[in-house]
Amino acid sequence: GAGVSQSPRYKVAKRGQDVALRCDPISGHVSLFWYQQALGQGPEFLTYFQNEAQLDKSGLPSDRFFAERPEGSVSTLKIQRTQQEDSAVYLCASSLRARAYEQYFGPGTRLTVT
Amino acid sequence: AQSVTQLGSHVSVSEGALVLLRCNYSSSVPPYLFWYVQYPNQGLQLLLKYTTGATLVKGINGFEAEFKKSETSFHLTKPSAHMSDAAEYFCAVSVYTGGFKTIFGAGTRLFVKA
Repeated sequence: GAGVSQSPRYKVAKRGQDVALRCDPISGHVSLFWYQQALGQGPEFLTYFQNEAQLDKSGLPSDRFFAERPEGSVSTLKIQRTQQEDSAVYLCASSLRARAYEQYFGPGTRLTVT
Repeated sequence: AQSVTQLGSHVSVSEGALVLLRCNYSSSVPPYLFWYVQYPNQGLQLLLKYTTGATLVKGINGFEAEFKKSETSFHLTKPSAHMSDAAEYFCAVSVYTGGFKTIFGAGTRLFVKA
């Protein structure tokens, strides 16, 4: 079956622009996660949804970052007024149940802020 | 709080040699432990996981890992390296505390020499 998909795969933004990154989880998966992976680093947790509820947003680095999952399926990560330090790969993952520990990752969106 | 330390950002082995990637964790509650592999420009793929039960866990592609609570370690091994094993490997710890968060190590890049 289809895996987790993310779009766009690559995004170049000028400093100060707003961007929106999309994640399509595996159909029926309850949990959805966003991670930020800087070059040469491991992924860092940003936020977690269980269905449409955002249960943990402790990893969002600033109030310029906002995530939503209004119908409990597709999720969008929005970054306002992008800064150079926002350049990273943004990974989305989903899991079948709230307590399912196995996460399925998408290919990521590489954001470059110039 | 949870944390993960991967010893060695780069490991180089010859084809056919033993692979050993080290991971130590810190967790205030019983952890769930994972190893993921990441190939260039791709998302993360789960190699294996430890949740409960047997402490020696077997995964895909001939990898295995042993959970040692006394040493707070979860090292990844493979008896004989293949060229196709060259990739970035991430150790991760997850704890469910009402919400769900996965903490990743910084990663170890494995090089396999012919």
